[in-house]
Amino acid sequence: ETGVTQTPRHLVMGMTNKKSLKCEQHLGHNAMYWYKQSAKKPLELMFVYSLEERVENNSVPSRFSPECPNSSHLFLHLHTLQPEDSALYLCASSQGEGAVGGYTFGSGTRLTVV
Amino acid sequence: GIQVEQSPPDLILQEGANSTLRCNFSDSVNNLQWFHQNPWGQLINLFYIPSGTKQNGRLSATTVATERYSLLYISSSQTTDSGVYFCAVMEYGNKLVFGAGTILRVKS
Repeated sequence: ETGVTQTPRHLVMGMTNKKSLKCEQHLGHNAMYWYKQSAKKPLELMFVYSLEERVENNSVPSRFSPECPNSSHLFLHLHTLQPEDSALYLCASSQGEGAVGGYTFGSGTRLTVV
Repeated sequence: GIQVEQSPPDLILQEGANSTLRCNFSDSVNNLQWFHQNPWGQLINLFYIPSGTKQNGRLSATTVATERYSLLYISSSQTTDSGVYFCAVMEYGNKLVFGAGTILRVKS
C-alpha cells in the first residue's frame, strides 16, 4: 500500500454508462493528479488539483469530469466514453510547490470501454 | 514543453547481471524521479533525485542536472526487477512529465 488508494481496480463499462473512479490519499499531501496510460504511449497528465482547486486541465474531453471535494479525495466521473478511452488511469499526490519529495502514485484503475 | 528521452527502450538481462538505464531531458529541472511499474500496473517510486547520487539496496541513481541526464543502476538483477522503468521530470505547475520508459525483462 503506497498511501494512495484507488478504487475500483478494474472497471468494464458500456459507452452509454456513467461511472466514477475514486482516489484517496493518506499522506497529508495538498495536490492531486489524474494520469492516463494507454498502450504504447507515455503517461499523459489529465488534471491537476492544488489545495482543492483545479489548476490544470490538459485538453481533456468533457466526457471526463474531475471532482476534488477535499485535499484527501479525488474523483474522475466518466460518461459516454469511447473504446479508445480504455486505459490505465492513475492517481497521484504530492506536497507543496515544486512537489518536494516527489509524487506518490496509486495502483491505478484499469478501464475497459465496450 | 520539456522532452524526456529514455534508453534503451527494451532490455533483456540474465539473472545476476548489472545494467544502466539512461534518462536525458531537454531543459533544466528542479525535480526528477525514477519509477518502476510492475506487471500489475502499479508505479513504485524508486528515487526522488533532482541531483547527486542515491542508493537503495541493489539500486542506485545519479543525476547530473547541469548536463541534463540521469542514470539508474541495477546490480545483481533478479526476476522481480522485471517491468517498466520510467524517468519523470517536473515541469512548471508541479507537472510531472514522463519518458516513454525502458522495458526490462530479467530471465532466470
